[in-house]
Amino acid sequence: QVQLLESGPGLVKPSESLSLTCTVSGDSMTTPSYYWGWIRQSPGRGLEWIGSISFRGTTYYNPSLKSRVTISFDTSKNQFSLGLTSVTATDTAVYFCARPGGSLGDYWGRGTLVTVSS
Amino acid sequence: EIVLTQSPVTLSLSPGERATLSCRASQSVSTYLAWYQQKPGQAPRLLIYNASNRATGIPARFSGSGSGTDFTLTISSLEPEDFAVYYCQLRSNWPSITFGQGTRLEIK
Repeated sequence: QVQLLESGPGLVKPSESLSLTCTVSGDSMTTPSYYWGWIRQSPGRGLEWIGSISFRGTTYYNPSLKSRVTISFDTSKNQFSLGLTSVTATDTAVYFCARPGGSLGDYWGRGTLVTVSS
Repeated sequence: EIVLTQSPVTLSLSPGERATLSCRASQSVSTYLAWYQQKPGQAPRLLIYNASNRATGIPARFSGSGSGTDFTLTISSLEPEDFAVYYCQLRSNWPSITFGQGTRLEIK
């Protein structure tokens, strides 16, 4: 069974950078056709796709966040990471890592709350 | 940018009743649409993909229909565990995805 687990600081100061890691178990991130993504949820913005990375390492970002986002992976650790710079209170949200899918399965982490506050 | 609009915002029904949830796209998306269920404190759970295909393990009382701009999620007979928030998700520009604003299904 594929499992994803988010980890990282729960509190980030305004103007600083947010950094989260997703550890994948039960499958390899380099399996062809898979995309691994970050999605966040807040009361004000609902569910918002942040970006994805393909099994080849190609990245795709939400245009509204593109200038501040970096997604990368470490295949040796079967992990992928999210970096978001210059955070403000509007970046406060529950952050999910996921492997969205269909017939091959759709998997999400439990989510981690990140609060931006001084 | 394609926008998804879900209706109603809140739906109040009793167990055993039939639920019909709507999702409308601002332009045609063929059948590149999915439906998710989310309960408090949990991640969204995939119910339907490609507009009408049930995901693995999803009960047969859940069904999806539609193509183009108008889509429907139907729950044929509500069980107590079905009361949750439901989201439609656009997948026509994969891996970019967009969510609707959600429909809250509450017990009447």
